[in-house]
Amino acid sequence: EQLVESGGGVVQPGTSLRLSCAASGFTFSTYGIHWVRQAPGKGLEWVAVIWHDGSKEYYADSLKGRFTISRDNSKNRVYLQMNSLRVEDTAVYYCARDVWGNADYWFDPWGQGTLVTVSS
Amino acid sequence: EIVMMQSPGTLSLSPGERATLSCRASQSVSNNNLVWYQQKPGQAPRLLIYGTSNRATGIPDRFSGSGSGTDFTLTISRLEPEDFAMYYCQHYVTSRNTFGQGTKLEIK
Repeated sequence: EQLVESGGGVVQPGTSLRLSCAASGFTFSTYGIHWVRQAPGKGLEWVAVIWHDGSKEYYADSLKGRFTISRDNSKNRVYLQMNSLRVEDTAVYYCARDVWGNADYWFDPWGQGTLVTVSS
Repeated sequence: EIVMMQSPGTLSLSPGERATLSCRASQSVSNNNLVWYQQKPGQAPRLLIYGTSNRATGIPDRFSGSGSGTDFTLTISRLEPEDFAMYYCQHYVTSRNTFGQGTKLEIK
């Protein structure tokens, strides 16, 4: 069971970037997927989640509509479209699987992360 | 939004000692939704404990979780060198997850 992020890089403020999260080793279409980010030297910040079938999406209030999560179950991938990027969006972006069992909930596994640097 | 507050910010202990990490919620949360992760430098977070007290697969039994309501604890009974890392608690809500700011467990 593995998640692998890609698509990070250095971009200028105001531009866009799309991250990808590729899944393997499990039945992708039965799990929700989250994005979580971590600014350099800081803690974890939840970004967004998409339902297993793509029917629902939720976002952190702080993103104010700039980010969009989507998925393609035929390709076992989840995407994070990031628009109007700001310097404060600089972070490592992780995707993580939404898991439940016996009424408990958690994230596992996590990908290794992809670094997004927003700088002029 | 429920705020998760971890203490202490940094905990300095020696191998073999007992570590007690605290996570406090701004309002009562369900035990089902309290999770602990370990993160080492340059690595992704790793699941340790879910549902307040259930160890994830492969997690040694020196790690234990407890608590209810607003106060939760992660205990490491006898520290091994590989346990020195950052630890985060999480209040899981599908549409509004929140993490504590973390506790850094460092070697004294």
